[in-house]
Amino acid sequence: SQQGEEDPQALSIQEGENATMNCSYKTSINNLQWYRQNSGRGLVHLILIRSNEREKHSGRLRVTLDTSKKSSSLLITASRAADTASYFCATGPGSSGNTGKLIFGQGTTLQVKP
Amino acid sequence: GAGVSQSPSNKVTEKGKDVELRCDPISGHTALYWYRQSLGQGLEFLIYFQGNSAPDKSGLPSDRFSAERTGGSVSTLTIQRTQQEDSAVYLCASSPGTGWSPLHFGNGTRLTVT
Repeated sequence: SQQGEEDPQALSIQEGENATMNCSYKTSINNLQWYRQNSGRGLVHLILIRSNEREKHSGRLRVTLDTSKKSSSLLITASRAADTASYFCATGPGSSGNTGKLIFGQGTTLQVKP
Repeated sequence: GAGVSQSPSNKVTEKGKDVELRCDPISGHTALYWYRQSLGQGLEFLIYFQGNSAPDKSGLPSDRFSAERTGGSVSTLTIQRTQQEDSAVYLCASSPGTGWSPLHFGNGTRLTVT
């Protein structure tokens, strides 16, 4: 079953604007990860944030995690047309015995117009 | 270096036929995962391997689905007596298997059952 719910389902912005995607989940987690998927391709890992972390940065990406609200957000600053893709959050459940198994959300489709 | 390789990239089969999907993980990765992605949807977990063992098969939808891994490397996902609802992209991912490492995905096999 899917754990993550992502919001919005689709987002269209102009190049140079910021894009914010949100993810909510239901059960306790060990960590939360964000992945990107270009059309017809596999997923590519972007960033991992652990349950004891609140914010993490990687280049133009900023991820926040609020475990009290069971939610995370991904901010892409100064977006580019090449950022057009689907973005998925994935949770590593706290009870999964460290198998590395991730539960994915439904994804947000981002379109960045040049 | 070589990433995760999946074959075939596309497979069209008739309802009722059996299909085999292959995954070559990154060399040295002990953990291997199969996921299924229906059109425009998130990823549905199918099965997890650690070495040649499958400690978590909880996502396999029915007994028509099976998977094996040999030599701690190549994995095969077999679907018997395919049904139209089996049509989806089947994604394989691998990781070093130590703790919560990011998953490395292949480009998937697009299965169409007619």
